[in-house]
Amino acid sequence: GAGVSQSPSNKVTEKGKDVELRCDPISGHTALYWYRQRLGQGLEFLIYFQGNSAPDKSGLPSDRFSAERTGESVSTLTIQRTQQEDSAVYLCASSLAQRGLGTDTQYFGPGTRLTVL
Amino acid sequence: GQQLNQSPQSMFIQEGEDVSMNCTSSSIFNTWLWYKQDPGEGPVLLIALYKAGELTSNGRLTAQFGITRKDSFLNISASIPSDVGIYFCAGPPSYNTDKLIFGTGTRLQVFP
Repeated sequence: GAGVSQSPSNKVTEKGKDVELRCDPISGHTALYWYRQRLGQGLEFLIYFQGNSAPDKSGLPSDRFSAERTGESVSTLTIQRTQQEDSAVYLCASSLAQRGLGTDTQYFGPGTRLTVL
Repeated sequence: GQQLNQSPQSMFIQEGEDVSMNCTSSSIFNTWLWYKQDPGEGPVLLIALYKAGELTSNGRLTAQFGITRKDSFLNISASIPSDVGIYFCAGPPSYNTDKLIFGTGTRLQVFP
């Protein structure tokens, strides 16, 4: 498809289990972002990739959270030993990163809704 | 850290009415973005503002970049049912970053 895709769309897991969330950015977009959206709230920045490297990981809430990107394409967000407070929608966005810092349009995927029981 | 506060939190209006919402920050932003989020979907960019005082329109939507650089406004004229959703302001917290800080959101409900 032409847009950002994310999988799975929904994930229910038990507390303590690890989860992997996947993001397929728009083809050719060099920048990729992960955000978290708790119920009824705005988006919180987690991590940003330029190519395969992550110059800004400042939003990752704890060392249980990690992300990687390969081939300047697909990215995986991993949450280890999930806790109930990790329940949220995890959104991925990508951008061309052509116009300069902070001004490129970020195109968002539909998100993965994570529920930790 | 930097925060973006939006008001009102929610609005219930009748179709055809005009809508105004705003976003304020405790610190200066150099770019203001307005996004709309429909249920079950990611946010979609509506309008981007790059200069203090700038007024930009996109169809029935008009947004302004406040002179102080600490606020922005979004107006929707002649609302229609498909305007329903959550509207977020957002911006990069500094020049040397691509991440975005998002506001708390304004939930808009339009009744026919």
